[in-house]
Amino acid sequence: AQSVTQLGSHVSVSEGALVLLRCNYSSSVPPYLFWYVQYPNQGLQLLLKYTSAATLVKGINGFEAEFKKSETSFHLTKPSAHMSDAAEYFCAVSEMDTGRRALTFGSGTRLQVQP
Amino acid sequence: DVKVTQSSRYLVKRTGEKVFLECVQDMDHENMFWYRQDPGLGLRLIYFSYDVKMKEKGDIPEGYSVSREKKERFSLILESASTNQTSMYLCASSLGTGATNEKLFFGSGTQLSVL
Repeated sequence: AQSVTQLGSHVSVSEGALVLLRCNYSSSVPPYLFWYVQYPNQGLQLLLKYTSAATLVKGINGFEAEFKKSETSFHLTKPSAHMSDAAEYFCAVSEMDTGRRALTFGSGTRLQVQP
Repeated sequence: DVKVTQSSRYLVKRTGEKVFLECVQDMDHENMFWYRQDPGLGLRLIYFSYDVKMKEKGDIPEGYSVSREKKERFSLILESASTNQTSMYLCASSLGTGATNEKLFFGSGTQLSVL
């Protein structure tokens, strides 16, 4: 079964600084990978997804992620953090090897943006 | 936009009570899911459904059951609530093309406290 590991349960950056949220996956077959964001008191929203078309994926709100097969990683980045980026971010993998149409989520990383 | 509505934002129940969590989606989606969200554990899949009257167990189904009598509604049932079921419960839906890279649409969650 596939799984994802998010390194760092909390990340704090200054406004305007680079955001880097780490995600590593474990999969026996090429996976589909996702980043979701959860703002306070809301459900999750899709930020971006990798489905093998291109290794660099651009998402909403200026975020992007790069699929690196050699490193089994799918890290999320944003060049310049904004206060509104403060939220919890979840990496997820699709269950390719079981065919189960559900996602397996990581444990989440809470991003704090300091003024 | 797809709307996934969960009937209660906050719910307080007593140990041993039977609890119903309701979820309704308005976009004719085939797939519906129930996850629970706990700090440090991310989202874990409880049950999912590909069609009316169909259900499949997720990763942590013990102590839960589900009902899908109509396409738009997916109910999560705690037969006899216990304190370890205190959690945030998230409902989600997806279109249902059969692909494993579909976007999930989430409700805003129900915070259940079992006393």
